[in-house]
Amino acid sequence: EPEVTQTPSHQVTQMGQEVILRCVPISNHLYFYWYRQILGQKVEFLVSFYNNEISEKSEIFDDQFSVERPDGSNFTLKIRSTKLEDSAMYFCASKMYFLTSAMNTEAFFGQGTRLTVV
Amino acid sequence: KNEVEQSPQNLTAQEGEFITINCSYSVGISALHWLQQHPGGGIVSLFMLSSGKKKHGRLIATINIQEKHSSLHITASHPRDSAVYICAVRILAGSQGNLIFGKGTKLSVKP
Repeated sequence: EPEVTQTPSHQVTQMGQEVILRCVPISNHLYFYWYRQILGQKVEFLVSFYNNEISEKSEIFDDQFSVERPDGSNFTLKIRSTKLEDSAMYFCASKMYFLTSAMNTEAFFGQGTRLTVV
Repeated sequence: KNEVEQSPQNLTAQEGEFITINCSYSVGISALHWLQQHPGGGIVSLFMLSSGKKKHGRLIATINIQEKHSSLHITASHPRDSAVYICAVRILAGSQGNLIFGKGTKLSVKP
């Protein structure tokens, strides 16, 4: 069964360092998302990506964050200068297509990357 | 403000019991998802609903669009059902498909 794959599963980094979280979405999917979940809190939307550009982003997704799809398969989330409050579980998700609000398809989630900033 | 509310927050059941988890939302939606988050953190999509009812094995999900309410039922619960169950909605207007999540219901099924 196809699945969304995220690497690494756990990353520890020092405050101020750059981190790149990687995701391999399901191959025929066109929409990609990053979400995060701070320990003990609910999952929050960060950014959506379609046709090689950001289609929507939340207030959380500030200038420290960026996304790209460098090679047509990987979908990455970069945090330029990590802060302690960036410690969270980061989830990648993908879905096949989005034509109209009446024709939604299911999103598939990766297993997440646990980022710990020390 | 919480656009998605789940109840209960925590639920403990004995193996074999019938379980219901509720989700209410305050916005117009195009779809509602029920997700399962395992103790290790990974998220699995259980259902996506825009109307009516869906069944998969021992899991049943229903949605009432007029009342802005959905329920997830687990029949003949088992300890392996222990997880956090999350309701998430896709709002009707504007968004390109990002989800708004509830806080989750932590289910523990005792043998």
